[in-house]
Amino acid sequence: NAGVMQNPRHLVRRRGQEARLRCSPMKGHSHVYWYRQLPEEGLKFMVYLQKENIIDESGMPKERFSAEFPKEGPSILRIQQVVRGDSAAYFCASSPEVLGPQHFGDGTRLSIL
Amino acid sequence: AQSVTQLDSQVPVFEEAPVELRCNYSSSVSVYLFWYVQYPNQGLQLLLKYLSGSTLVKGINGFEAEFNKSQTSFHLRKPSVHISDTAEYFCAVSEQGGSEKLVFGKGTKLTVNP
Repeated sequence: NAGVMQNPRHLVRRRGQEARLRCSPMKGHSHVYWYRQLPEEGLKFMVYLQKENIIDESGMPKERFSAEFPKEGPSILRIQQVVRGDSAAYFCASSPEVLGPQHFGDGTRLSIL
Repeated sequence: AQSVTQLDSQVPVFEEAPVELRCNYSSSVSVYLFWYVQYPNQGLQLLLKYLSGSTLVKGINGFEAEFNKSQTSFHLRKPSVHISDTAEYFCAVSEQGGSEKLVFGKGTKLTVNP
């Protein structure tokens, strides 16, 4: 049973470009969470999605960031017009149900030049 | 809103020694509590969780934690550590009846020396 798959593992972008981070949850999991980890910091919640619905986006920056979890395919975290401060590790987690344990992927490390 | 404080950013110990990693939380509502471990360049792995019931929770790799509601603490313990336990440990809470999002502490780097 494959775990949560995130790709790419490393992503380099220049300021002003777009970054698209993908997350395939574990089989049978319909809940997806995105977190951001800055250097020397813990993980900060960004957004919680169920299939085709955003349940809680209280941690998402108001501009440039968006997330989706379509009926078919992976969840996508999209960052438009990236800036240096977007450099971080972005982690996706999935769970099979409410109160189910969250299983984490290995993350995407985003570097902005 | 919830917050989590991990009092020690770094904890060095010798192999086979006991270790305690401290975690305190603040919340106006009841919470669930978790400990995760992160090895370098990897995601987080769940060590243990407290949802309800017995306040002493046993997890993987010989770790255990005790929920103390009066002290709002959830300290992680292991009686004898191994070199392979070297990693970063994160305490987290989620609000009961909420959106299941996890609120993390800043982490404790455990270094086990021979």
